[in-house]
Amino acid sequence: ETGVTQTPRHLVMGMTNKKSLKCEQHLGHNAMYWYKQSAKKPLELMFVYNFKEQTENNSVPSRFSPECPNSSHLFLHLHTLQPEDSALYLCASSQRVGGEETQYFGPGTRLLVL
Amino acid sequence: GESVGLHLPTLSVQEGDNSIINCAYSNSASDYFIWYKQESGKGPQFIIDIRSNMDKRQGQRVTVLLNKTVKHLSLQIAATQPGDSAVYFCAEKDRGAQKLVFGQGTRLTINP
Repeated sequence: ETGVTQTPRHLVMGMTNKKSLKCEQHLGHNAMYWYKQSAKKPLELMFVYNFKEQTENNSVPSRFSPECPNSSHLFLHLHTLQPEDSALYLCASSQRVGGEETQYFGPGTRLLVL
Repeated sequence: GESVGLHLPTLSVQEGDNSIINCAYSNSASDYFIWYKQESGKGPQFIIDIRSNMDKRQGQRVTVLLNKTVKHLSLQIAATQPGDSAVYFCAEKDRGAQKLVFGQGTRLTINP
């Protein structure tokens, strides 16, 4: 275990549903990240939070809405998704943003949008 | 990281042999590099990292080599075991940037 947990591990949702992904890190880190991993593409960074403040939004559609209530928790709220949003969503954390900071990943949430 | 392609590069090796996984990067300003291992159903797991002021770093059964002249990174795994079967990603970070850029990944398969 890396110290980063994600729930749920699997999620199937319709295009009109609203759901949320949760990430929690037990490493005392200050930075948290959301990534999308789909077939045939490298890992895509979606959002970065540093000390609860969003520092990067990598041109992500507004149907994905992140929330970071504290340095240990990160959410990704989903609504009116499209089938092409089906992917593995990975959360990661690091001590801080920038510098030579290793990111530690959770196991991911496998999302299927029907 | 590696150029994006339609197919995940694959490497098959015999159990007990050494494996070498390669990664090319294009950003000459990258100064920090990481190798991750991702097993089926799991998130990427940190293996080893290297800074641009080094050209070699060793861990337990793994060695990372960095050739800044040709912008090439490699991961060597000694005495490959079945548990080494996974997809291996390289990641790079630009000096002063806040995000890692990941390569496409290489799937390593161990033959018994």
